[in-house]
Parts: sequence; structure tokens; C-alpha cells
Amino acid sequence: AQSVTQLGSHVSVSEGALVLLRCNYSSSVPPYLFWYVQYPNQGLQLLLKYTTGATLVKGINGFEAEFKKSETSFHLTKPSAHMSDAAEYFCAVSVPSGGYNKLIFGAGTRLAVHP
Amino acid sequence: DAGVIQSPRHEVTEMGQEVTLRCKPISGHNSLFWYRQTMMRGLELLIYFNNNVPIDDSGMPEDRFSAKMPNASFSTLKIQPSEPRDSAVYFCASSQGQGSVEQYFGPGTRLTVT
Repeated sequence: AQSVTQLGSHVSVSEGALVLLRCNYSSSVPPYLFWYVQYPNQGLQLLLKYTTGATLVKGINGFEAEFKKSETSFHLTKPSAHMSDAAEYFCAVSVPSGGYNKLIFGAGTRLAVHP
Repeated sequence: DAGVIQSPRHEVTEMGQEVTLRCKPISGHNSLFWYRQTMMRGLELLIYFNNNVPIDDSGMPEDRFSAKMPNASFSTLKIQPSEPRDSAVYFCASSQGQGSVEQYFGPGTRLTVT
């Protein structure tokens, strides 16, 4: 069965430091992978996605992620954290299911950024 | 272009009452999803519609929950009777086609059942 594991439910970084949020997936078919961000009291916003092609994917707000098939990973990074990056981040894998593409979400990682 | 619209944004009701949540998908999108988000279970898919037809309702927790999509621009999720354990944030999302992989989420409805 397809699943997504996000290592670390809470991550705390200093402003200006590297952000690294980890995501590993299991999928029996070539995966489509996503990172979504959820700010307090808001819905989920797509940060970036990998479908095919280049394995390093750039998204909004300076985030990027690299698909590593050998490691079944899709970790999210940002070189320099901003206070405004504080939010919850969800990794998801899209899997074919009964004729449509179903999103399976990880449990989420809450990112705190301190001065 | 307007995104996915949900109403109400917040709902507080007493146990046993009927609750109706509403969703307007993005114009032109023919796939619609209802999700529930809780601390304990994370994000769960409740039901998926394509072209107004329910395709996958395997995530609907029990008969107290029902969903309809009478036309391409409107869907409802109803809970009757509501229970405290239904307290959660309910999201609606839409996408452009059955084969589309990218879903666009609404702001959610925070439901509290006392």
C-alpha cells in the first residue's frame, strides 16, 4: 500500500538557517509527489510538485525538493528561513485508485522559525 | 479567478443537530474532494466526485455522513445527527479532471460539536 512518512512532527530553525523537512514514500508505481503548506486557519496551498522529468523541483517562496528514487525520498529544503515560513507542511503522494488519482498525505511537519 | 469557496468558515453546534457544509469548486474543474483534518488522524479523504457523480465514498465514516453534488458548481457535506467526535476541519478541494493530479484546496470549515 502507498504511504508517506514525514520524519519529525516539529522542526525549529533560526531565521536565516537552512530548512530541511524530510519525506519518504512508498509506492508500487512511479509516484507523483507534492508538498503543500498550511498557514494557521487556512487551507492547503501547493508549494511544489514532481511528476516527471527533472528530479530537482523548484516551488514558490524559495522552496525546492529533490526526488530520489533510490532513497524513496522527496525532502523539502530552503536555504534561508524567513519568519513567514512558519507553518505546517504536508508531503503527499498521488496514486491511481479506481480510475482517479488519490492523494495520500503524510502526518505533517510543523515548522517554527525563531529570531 | 476565485479559488475553492467554502461556507461557513466556522460552525459551532450542539450534539444531535444537523450540520451542512458547502463548497463551490473552481469553475471548469470537474473533480471534487471532501477531506477531514483532525489531530489524531491527519488528513483523510471522505468522498470523491467526478462530473457530479460520487466515485469513491469509501472514506465516509458512517451513515450519519452524506454528500451531494447537484451541479458542477456546488456540493454539500451533511452530518446528521452530529456528535462531538465529528469536530474537525473539513476541506473541499477541486481538480481539473479525473486524471489530474493537482488539487486546489478551499480554506476549510472548522466544525465544533458540543
